[in-house]
Amino acid sequence: NAGVTQTPKFRILKIGQSMTLQCTQDMNHNYMYWYRQDPGMGLKLIYYSVGAGITDKGEVPNGYNVSRSTTEDFPLRLELAAPSQTSVYFCASSSPTASSDTQYFGPGTRLTVL
Amino acid sequence: AQSVTQLGSHVSVSEGALVLLRCNYSSSVPPYLFWYVQYPNQGLQLLLKYTTGATLVKGINGFEAEFKKSETSFHLTKPSAHMSDAAEYFCAVTNNYGQNFVFGPGTRLSVLP
Repeated sequence: NAGVTQTPKFRILKIGQSMTLQCTQDMNHNYMYWYRQDPGMGLKLIYYSVGAGITDKGEVPNGYNVSRSTTEDFPLRLELAAPSQTSVYFCASSSPTASSDTQYFGPGTRLTVL
Repeated sequence: AQSVTQLGSHVSVSEGALVLLRCNYSSSVPPYLFWYVQYPNQGLQLLLKYTTGATLVKGINGFEAEFKKSETSFHLTKPSAHMSDAAEYFCAVTNNYGQNFVFGPGTRLSVLP
């Protein structure tokens, strides 16, 4: 049971390039999330998904896209990288019930856009 | 809209001293409250959570937090700090489970020998 895995761990992009951040969970969780973490700031929700085929915007979705074709995978796509997207990106998953809603986090992807 | 504030972006304590990290929230309905810890270059790990029931919640590594509705607070404490407690701590709130998870800005805890 690996939990939530993310690839790559580090990436440097040039302005205008595109890339996909991968996220996979093996806990059969129906909810998945993408956050970004900027220095001195808390986590900001980019997108989330409540199940395969269903996604919705979070607080800071501009410049990103997501898809959820399977329960396990929730990739995050950057189409035209900008310096403002330099951040650490965390994927998380959960299986909310009436009495619990714990999010499990991956180790993060550190992205630098130059 | 929900929000979370954490008083003090950086807290320093001596080893063996009391740890107190403050968290206040705003929520229009009864909240679910969480504390997460983040060690350098790692993801977030759940310390403890309050959903319903007992307002004093015990978590891992000797931490505990008390939900005080009248004060809209959920402060994190540990009686005796250990060097291994040095990390970033985040308070979070949600009232619509699975969605609208809001994190505070975090408090960096340093433990001095």
